[in-house]
Parts: sequence; structure tokens; C-alpha cells
Amino acid sequence: QMLLRESGPGLVKPSETLSLTCVVSGDSFRRYDWSWIRQPPRKGLESIGYLSSTGSSTNNPSLNSRVTISLDTSKNQFSLKLTSVTAADTAVYYCARGAGSPDLWGQGILVTVSS
Amino acid sequence: EIVLTQFPATLSLSPGERATLSCRASQSVGTYLAWYQQKPGQAPRLLIYNAYSRATGIPARFSGSGSGTDFTLTISSLEPEDSAVYYCHQRYDWRTFGQGTKVEIK
Repeated sequence: QMLLRESGPGLVKPSETLSLTCVVSGDSFRRYDWSWIRQPPRKGLESIGYLSSTGSSTNNPSLNSRVTISLDTSKNQFSLKLTSVTAADTAVYYCARGAGSPDLWGQGILVTVSS
Repeated sequence: EIVLTQFPATLSLSPGERATLSCRASQSVGTYLAWYQQKPGQAPRLLIYNAYSRATGIPARFSGSGSGTDFTLTISSLEPEDSAVYYCHQRYDWRTFGQGTKVEIK
């Protein structure tokens, strides 16, 4: 059974770069597309971007210039970098399988932006 | 950006009752609409994709309908474990989520 797990720092300073990794366990990593989605505390869900199985990424237009999503097939993982963070970027960040309607999600990781 | 509006904001029903949740899109999304269930402290769980297809392992009491701009998620007979927030999600133009409907079980 495939499992996804997010990892990275839980606290990032304003103006710095948020970096997260999603490690995928199980078979067939190369078959799938992958997504990053976030949820600010007590709010709704926002798609950040997604990555095709070939490594091509598409990002949320409202975040596009700050977001980089990349793939490392040798390690069965994919990553998110979000630059110039502010308090508005405080959220639970989820990695998920699929680019359309993601059908398998990690447990999420809370990232707080604060000095 | 396509805006998804969900109503009602909260639904309070008893076990065994039928729940009807609505999602309206600001422009047509065809059938590129999904429904997710989220319980406190948990990640969202895919229930329905492409407007009416049930995801793997989802009980038959969950069903989806609609196309274009108006969609419905129906829970035919509520169970206590259905208490959650439900989100609709479109993938027609980028990806956006509705603001959620909270289902409470009396």
C-alpha cells in the first residue's frame, strides 16, 4: 500500500524559503502525478501546484513566481520550495497523489511562519 | 479563477436521514468536479470524482450528481462517522475548492 509522508521544518522566518519533501513508499512511484495542497488554520484548501510523472510542473497562478516543485525519482520523493514567505503562508501543507483529483494524501505538516 | 460556492454552510441531521450538499461553480466545469471529506486533524479523503464516480472503498451511501455549474453530494442514510466537513473541488481550470459544508450528526 502506498504511503505519503511530508517532512521539513515546522517553523520558517518571514522572507525566508519554505522547503518540504514528500517521501512516497510503495511501488509505482513513476506512474503517477503528484500535488502539493495547503490549508491555513481553520480555513479551506488551496492547491499550490502539481507535477507530472515526467517532472513537468504547473503552479497556482497566484503563487507561481514563488513556487518550485521538483521530482527525485531515484529517491521516490518530490519537493516544494516556496520563497519569500509571510505569515499568510502559515498552513498545514499536504502532499498528495494525482494532479486532477488527488486520491491519496499525506498526513500533512504544519508550517508556521514567524520570527 | 473559478469560484465554487457551497451551501448550506452547516447541516445538522440525525442518523439515518438523507443529507444533500450543494456546490455551484461560477462558470461551467463540465463534470470535472470532485468531493472530499475531511475530519478534524485528518487529511481530506476523496469521495467522488468526475462528478459521480465513487472513489475506491467509498460506501455506496455517498453519491454525486450534476454537471456544468450545479452539483450535489448526497449521503443517503447518515452514519455517525459521516460527521465532517465536505469540500467540492474543480479541475476544469486550474484547481479550486469550495469553502466547505459542515455536516453535524445530532
